[in-house]
Amino acid sequence: GAGVSQTPSNKVTEKGKYVELRCDPISGHTALYWYRQSLGQGPEFLIYFQGTGAADDSGLPNDRFFAVRPEGSVSTLKIQRTERGDSAVYLCASSTPSGGGTLNYNEQFFGPGTRLTVL
Amino acid sequence: AQSVTQPDIHITVSEGASLELRCNYSYGATPYLFWYVQSPGQGLQLLLKYFSGDTLVQGIKGFEAEFKRSQSSFNLRKPSVHWSDAAEYFCAVAPYGGATNKLIFGTGTLLAVQP
Repeated sequence: GAGVSQTPSNKVTEKGKYVELRCDPISGHTALYWYRQSLGQGPEFLIYFQGTGAADDSGLPNDRFFAVRPEGSVSTLKIQRTERGDSAVYLCASSTPSGGGTLNYNEQFFGPGTRLTVL
Repeated sequence: AQSVTQPDIHITVSEGASLELRCNYSYGATPYLFWYVQSPGQGLQLLLKYFSGDTLVQGIKGFEAEFKRSQSSFNLRKPSVHWSDAAEYFCAVAPYGGATNKLIFGTGTLLAVQP
């Protein structure tokens, strides 16, 4: 079946503008993750959804960042008042339900990312 | 705090030569360990993972990795590199028993393959 898809693939915006980035996970995957990859860095965790609720948002850098997943499938990452430092590739991943314990780790499948450029 | 160190930013090897990419982690207990590959324009792809048991794990595309608890290392190896292996490689950890299984990545090693 189809993998994780992300739209748009590229987004250029001006400082101070609002942007939305969309992630469509693999069908049936209830766990969804957002990561941010800045130039020359590895991906950094932003937020994790289990179903509709954000189970862990400890990676969101500040209150300009917000994410939703109202129906437990598609997720939208929203960035208000964008700053040049927000420029990065935003990655989405999905998996079957995550949980603790050796047998309960499920592989995260990554989308191709959205490259955000803030001018 | 948990962290992952990949000391080599950029490595160049000749096609057919062997490869070893280094990864060290800092964590209170043995975490889950992973290697991912990222090719230009492609999403991250899982090469292999270690949870427990045999410390030498086999992955896709002929890669393997060895977990060494005493060195807190999880180095990636391939006996003979192909030109198509040129990509960026990321080591990652996920805390054992964590409720979210979020991944913590290293900064990556960019592999170039010379003909």
